[in-house]
Amino acid sequence: DSGVTQTPKHLITATGQRVTLRCSPRSGDLSVYWYQQSLDQGLQFLIHYYNGEERAKGNILERFSAQQFPDLHSELNLSSLELGDSALYFCASSVSPGQAYEQYFGPGTRLTVT
Amino acid sequence: DQQVKQNSPSLSVQEGRISILNCDYTNSMFDYFLWYKKYPAEGPTFLISISSIKDKNEDGRFTVFLNKSAKHLSLHIVPSQPGDSAVYFCAASASGTYKYIFGTGTRLKVLA
Repeated sequence: DSGVTQTPKHLITATGQRVTLRCSPRSGDLSVYWYQQSLDQGLQFLIHYYNGEERAKGNILERFSAQQFPDLHSELNLSSLELGDSALYFCASSVSPGQAYEQYFGPGTRLTVT
Repeated sequence: DQQVKQNSPSLSVQEGRISILNCDYTNSMFDYFLWYKKYPAEGPTFLISISSIKDKNEDGRFTVFLNKSAKHLSLHIVPSQPGDSAVYFCAASASGTYKYIFGTGTRLKVLA
């Protein structure tokens, strides 16, 4: 158990819908990262928040947005869903955004868009 | 543009032998590299890392080698154990970017 929790574990929804994925980082961790893993693909970096502020952005679609709240949990919002958005979404947390700080990954949320 | 590549999708090794997993990168700004292991239905877990100021880092059975001129790193597992069977991802980061680029993974199967 990494100490990072993600809810829900599974999510099935239809095209065009909007969903929210939630991540609670390890106690004391200020950085939260979001990744997408599509079938047979590596982990695609989406976005990184540090202490409530956006720190880095990857190839995140405009239909996707995220935020980190004062209690440090983070939400990833996916809207106007398409079939291609079906994937595993992981969040990870670390104490600090620096390279030397290990990222701890949650178990992921599996999103299926039908 | 895949900046981090793991060209071998899978690898099978006999228990007790050496497993060598390879990773290539294209971005010369990358200066920190990591390996993660992932079991099914779990998130990746950190295994070992290396800074670009080093060419080798060792942790128990795991050693990572970095060849900056070739933009290549490799993970050696010696001796390989059945419990090492998992998907291994390499990742890279450039100082100040606060993001990590992952490869597509190599599925390692250690045969008993």
